[in-house]
Amino acid sequence: DIVMTQSPLFLPVTPGEPASISCRSTQSLLHSNGNNYLDWYLQKPGQSPQVLIYLGSKRASGVPDRFSGTGSGTDFTLKISRVEPEDVGVYYCMQALQTPRSFGGGTKLEIK
Amino acid sequence: QVRLQESGPGLVKPSETLSLICNVSGDSVTSDYWSWVRQSPAKGLEWIGYMTHSGVTKLNPSLKSRLTISLDTSKNQVSLKLTSVSAADTAVYFCARVRWSGWYSRNHYYYGMDVWGQGTTVTVSS
Repeated sequence: DIVMTQSPLFLPVTPGEPASISCRSTQSLLHSNGNNYLDWYLQKPGQSPQVLIYLGSKRASGVPDRFSGTGSGTDFTLKISRVEPEDVGVYYCMQALQTPRSFGGGTKLEIK
Repeated sequence: QVRLQESGPGLVKPSETLSLICNVSGDSVTSDYWSWVRQSPAKGLEWIGYMTHSGVTKLNPSLKSRLTISLDTSKNQVSLKLTSVSAADTAVYFCARVRWSGWYSRNHYYYGMDVWGQGTTVTVSS
């Protein structure tokens, strides 16, 4: 099974400042079709997870362009260019290359 | 607008069977893939499995021997049955739509788990 590891665990950020979350997989998530099967989800307090990024770098519908995903293979990063108060919650990466799908342990973003 | 609504018993006794329903509106279960994910403090987010619109299932091997996922096309529902539950199965259970063509489609697409239900809490206790 593919194991997903995120860092940091906690991320206190001042509004307007950038933020970055790292996600690493134990196997490459690059498919022969050229896509990296890596998603990013945000779970806001009291809500279900929502997709932010799919295929490593593609923003889901309605996601603000301050969110971006980069990386390939086993190393991926979610970046928020300027954090806003509504970005608080727990961010998860998930590999979608193999079953069983697997999630990272989560990164809790808090506002300073 | 696509909406998913999970429903279930809330409380299940150890060794009994957990049955959950996900009502789908705004889309047909005969299209896309339909997934179950659960969340507990101990395990975080855990992928349970999915069923394709054509009836193929992929299940988490850790649950496979106890797990059934099925579609009811007449009711536009996705269901989950988990037998012989224990306290370790206590969690919030989510259903989610996976927008994916599958690996072998000529016109490949993948958009992730783009719609989630609000989740239903299941506690296993006597």
